[in-house]
Amino acid sequence: DLQMTQSPSSLSASVGDRVTITCRTSQTISTYLNWYQQRPGKAPKLLIQAASNLQSGVPSRFSGSGSGTEFTLTISSLQPEDFATYYCQQSYTTPGMSTFGQGTKLEIK
Amino acid sequence: QVQLQESGPGLVKPSQTLSLTCNVSGDSINTATYYWSWIRQPAGKGLEYIGRVFLSGSTNYNPSLKSRVTISIDTSKNQFSLKLTSVTAADTAVYYCARDRPYSSLDQWGQGTLVTVSS
Repeated sequence: DLQMTQSPSSLSASVGDRVTITCRTSQTISTYLNWYQQRPGKAPKLLIQAASNLQSGVPSRFSGSGSGTEFTLTISSLQPEDFATYYCQQSYTTPGMSTFGQGTKLEIK
Repeated sequence: QVQLQESGPGLVKPSQTLSLTCNVSGDSINTATYYWSWIRQPAGKGLEYIGRVFLSGSTNYNPSLKSRVTISIDTSKNQFSLKLTSVTAADTAVYYCARDRPYSSLDQWGQGTLVTVSS
């Protein structure tokens, strides 16, 4: 079974900081990896599809990279509205127990 | 712009069946382009994939829930539904419906609905 490991589970940072979140998979998934942002009390929002494709309307400070088994989400200069929880999701295998990463809660330092 | 909206009881008794519907507006559900998915999130925890349905009625379910889950589609009403049987307190969560492009992403989500399992 494919396993997903997202790190860190939480992260404290300041406005203006550059942060990176990592998602690793136990087997290669090419670029079938998506990133979502979830603000408190809201539904997840798709940020990046296929590892690096920024969704329309998503600020350019967000970027994604990686292929195979290691992927990163980078926010180049944190803004107040970016403090949220971020999830990776693989779409390589049939959805099931290992669809989503565990999440990274990004908090204000 | 497609919109999804979950509806159903907010309180379900233990051992009973949880039933939710996702109404899709702004686009037809009668398309072979997407799956239609359910995801849930217990309070303070991460996202858990429940399952999805295709236009043909074919489904994929999370193995951990497969014995209790049924997802169906009703193109005449432009909606799809979730049934989860024999619920316990562990099934208390916010339930989301989402549009699922195969081998791609969950690109549109409903706002979510809280279902509490309690007597």
